[in-house]
Amino acid sequence: QKEVEQNSGPLSVPEGAIASLNCTYSDRGSQSFFWYRQYSGKSPELIMSIYSNGDKEDGRFTAQLNKASQYVSLLIRDSQPSDSATYLCASGGRDDKIIFGKGTRLHILP
Amino acid sequence: DGGITQSPKYLFRKEGQNVTLSCEQNLNHDAMYWYRQDPGQGLRLIYYSQIVNDFQKGDIAEGYSVSREKKESFPLTVTSAQKNPTAFYLCASSIWGNTNQPQHFGDGTRLSIL
Repeated sequence: QKEVEQNSGPLSVPEGAIASLNCTYSDRGSQSFFWYRQYSGKSPELIMSIYSNGDKEDGRFTAQLNKASQYVSLLIRDSQPSDSATYLCASGGRDDKIIFGKGTRLHILP
Repeated sequence: DGGITQSPKYLFRKEGQNVTLSCEQNLNHDAMYWYRQDPGQGLRLIYYSQIVNDFQKGDIAEGYSVSREKKESFPLTVTSAQKNPTAFYLCASSIWGNTNQPQHFGDGTRLSIL
């Protein structure tokens, strides 16, 4: 059974600090990785895609991928109250399906 | 604006009733997906379609049916055989049915039992 594991949280981070969200995946054949943000009662919104080992930066967001350790992370710099949401990690592999984790709830403390 | 439109936003089902959730996209995406999300749970794949007139079962297809007669449309029917239909239903699409392509979601439909 292919799985994507995330700590459910909540992860509480002071405003202005760096929030670090982590994810592990079981399928070594996974080639693509995605981070989605989901506000309460809303649908998921894609915020980052990463395909190669290393870091990928987009504004305040940095995604990190380590395929050897089967580990993906998302860093949010200068955290804002509007970043409070559930963050879903997802991976795509050799078959037709993207596997989603259950998400980590992030709470930014004003 | 390009996007994915799901309707209705809220839907109520009576016992023994079939209901259909609409999903339309104008992104010219080949692949479309239906997921179910229960409170505190991840996304579970119901059905997906990579091309018109073809679709595959996901992990929880029992009690659901779909059609893909047009590229833009992928309606989901929740049949009376689905005994626990209360959930948040999400439709998604991607450029093509390759898992290297990210999926983009509609706003969702909340289904409840009357």
